[in-house]
Amino acid sequence: KAGVTQTPRYLIKTRGQQVTLSCSPISGHRSVSWYQQTPGQGLQFLFEYFSETQRNKGNFPGRFSGRQFSNSRSEMNVSTLELGDSALYLCASSYQGAGTEAFFGQGTRLTVV
Amino acid sequence: QQQVKQSPQSLIVQKGGISIINCAYENTAFDYFPWYQQFPGKGPALLIAIRPDVSEKKEGRFTISFNKSAKQFSLHIMDSQPGDSATYFCAADSGGYQKVTFGTGTKLQVIP
Repeated sequence: KAGVTQTPRYLIKTRGQQVTLSCSPISGHRSVSWYQQTPGQGLQFLFEYFSETQRNKGNFPGRFSGRQFSNSRSEMNVSTLELGDSALYLCASSYQGAGTEAFFGQGTRLTVV
Repeated sequence: QQQVKQSPQSLIVQKGGISIINCAYENTAFDYFPWYQQFPGKGPALLIAIRPDVSEKKEGRFTISFNKSAKQFSLHIMDSQPGDSATYFCAADSGGYQKVTFGTGTKLQVIP
């Protein structure tokens, strides 16, 4: 069974640009959650999608957005990039969401210069 | 409050010893407590998880102890091995939607 796939693995962007990250969950999983990981703030929840609907959102500005497609694949978009957005962005998939085993991808390392 | 406090920040244990990592939470709505292991360059991987209706869960060398009244839980790694060297995160999840709150992480180093 294939794991969670995130693409691309690495990205370098310039301040002010926008970026789209992709996550393909494990087959059959309907929940996809996104997290930002930085040395200073640790792992922080961004949002969760379940069956194409955003079910929950963390405390991030509106520049961070996402969507989920009918095949459960999800994308995350960050507009008007800031230096502070440099981080490892992780997605996790699970069958039902809360209280069930979540599987993480390897993440996308975003560097904003 | 959604915070989960984790300690220690780093831990050095000799091979064969017991590694102990502690976490405390405040929100009594949390009802699922997973532990994740993360190696450099990899995403976190679920190690073991517990629900508040049990006080202990063991899987191989890994044991979670859970104290509901104190709102604390801990991970014990028995017979620690160099291959266990990684960063460990505790987490708490509340019912409804997957909004997992993570601890700040513990960097474990097991020395031969």
